[in-house]
Amino acid sequence: AQTVTQSQPEMSVQEAETVTLSCTYDTSESDYYLFWYKQPPSRQMILVIRQEAYKQQNATENRFSVNFQKAAKSFSLKISDSQLGDAAMYFCAYRSANTGNQFYFGTGTSLTVIP
Amino acid sequence: GAVVSQHPSWVICKSGTSVKIECRSLDFQATTMFWYRQFPKQSLMLMATSNEGSKATYEQGVEKDKFLINHASLTLSTLTVTSAHPEDSSFYICSADRGRAVNEQFFGPGTRLTVL
Repeated sequence: AQTVTQSQPEMSVQEAETVTLSCTYDTSESDYYLFWYKQPPSRQMILVIRQEAYKQQNATENRFSVNFQKAAKSFSLKISDSQLGDAAMYFCAYRSANTGNQFYFGTGTSLTVIP
Repeated sequence: GAVVSQHPSWVICKSGTSVKIECRSLDFQATTMFWYRQFPKQSLMLMATSNEGSKATYEQGVEKDKFLINHASLTLSTLTVTSAHPEDSSFYICSADRGRAVNEQFFGPGTRLTVL
């Protein structure tokens, strides 16, 4: 099974500032998808952003953007203009494009936003 | 957007009893559903993959006889925790896959199981 590593168990950011969450993964496949999910205290998983491995352009969704480095197998999430509502657990996830359709999740990063 | 519901949202049961958790895709048909277990402040651990009309595929280390999964229709999968014990207390999350498109997997709100 593929492994997804999030090396930052906890992060904090000042409101309105920018924070970057790290994620690395291990795979021998060339075609796959990467995701960042947010899990607020309600525990509902919310898709933040996704990236197709065949695309060189980094995905962007409003204040959220990724830095996808395929050769380095790195997929970091940048949150700009952080808001109090961004406080949550963030999970990086991998999904193969060819073999199976399950997600492999990282261990998560707990983000605190300081007012 | 696609909605997945879980019922119940919270259940407390006595040790030795069985508990059934339902996962429903409300506005789409899900050929595949997934069941995850999440301990406090930890990640989601995939327990099994459930395909409509066939037996579930369990991840290594997950007891098939303990966690019974039934995917009876394209909109309903159930997880039954049999002879529950306190160590089965956890948060159980399902997700539903509506196809091969990139992000078409939608998560339910989860069920908190407490076994006394």
